[in-house]
Amino acid sequence: KAGVTQTPRYLIKTRGQQVTLSCSPISGHRSVSWYQQTPGQGLQFLFEYFSETQRNKGNFPGRFSGRQFSNSRSEMNVSTLELGDSALYLCASSFGGASYVYGYTFGSGTRLTVV
Amino acid sequence: GENVEQHPSTLSVQEGDSAVIKCTYSDSASNYFPWYKQELGKRPQLIIDIRSNVGEKKDQRIAVTLNKTAKHFSLHITETQPEDSAVYFCAANPHGGATNKLIFGTGTLLAVQP
Repeated sequence: KAGVTQTPRYLIKTRGQQVTLSCSPISGHRSVSWYQQTPGQGLQFLFEYFSETQRNKGNFPGRFSGRQFSNSRSEMNVSTLELGDSALYLCASSFGGASYVYGYTFGSGTRLTVV
Repeated sequence: GENVEQHPSTLSVQEGDSAVIKCTYSDSASNYFPWYKQELGKRPQLIIDIRSNVGEKKDQRIAVTLNKTAKHFSLHITETQPEDSAVYFCAANPHGGATNKLIFGTGTLLAVQP
């Protein structure tokens, strides 16, 4: 079965621009979570969406936002890019049932470079 | 608060030896503890997980143990092989799974010397 698909794989943006990343979850998965991975900070939780609703949010500035569509696909947006936003952005999908984490699978990520 | 501490940050072993990585979590409501392996340039992949109603789980050369009282869980790899070389992350779900958020440890770089 198809895994978690993230597009694009690589992006180079200029400081001050905005960017949109996409994540298509495994079929049947209703929860999508986003993480930022950097060498210094490891995997940092950005937010989780379930049934088109943001269910949890990490400690990131308001420039980071996301949404989920009715088919469970999710997008995250970063506005007014800063050099420090350069990172690997990973999404993970899971079945999403309350009180039970199941099937948590990561995509290959989008490598964002801000110049 | 929500925190997962992981030790050691780097670990070098000889092929055939055992490797142990330890994690401590802060939220007593956590009930799910996965371990991920990430090879260079690749996605994190789940290698084993354990839930709070179980004290130990084993899958071939990999085992995980959980001590809920001490809020510790550990990954044990026996008979290590060069292909086990990677970064390993532990994680825990805060709020007892009310959401699917995971908090990750900072990672352990395991190097298996042939």
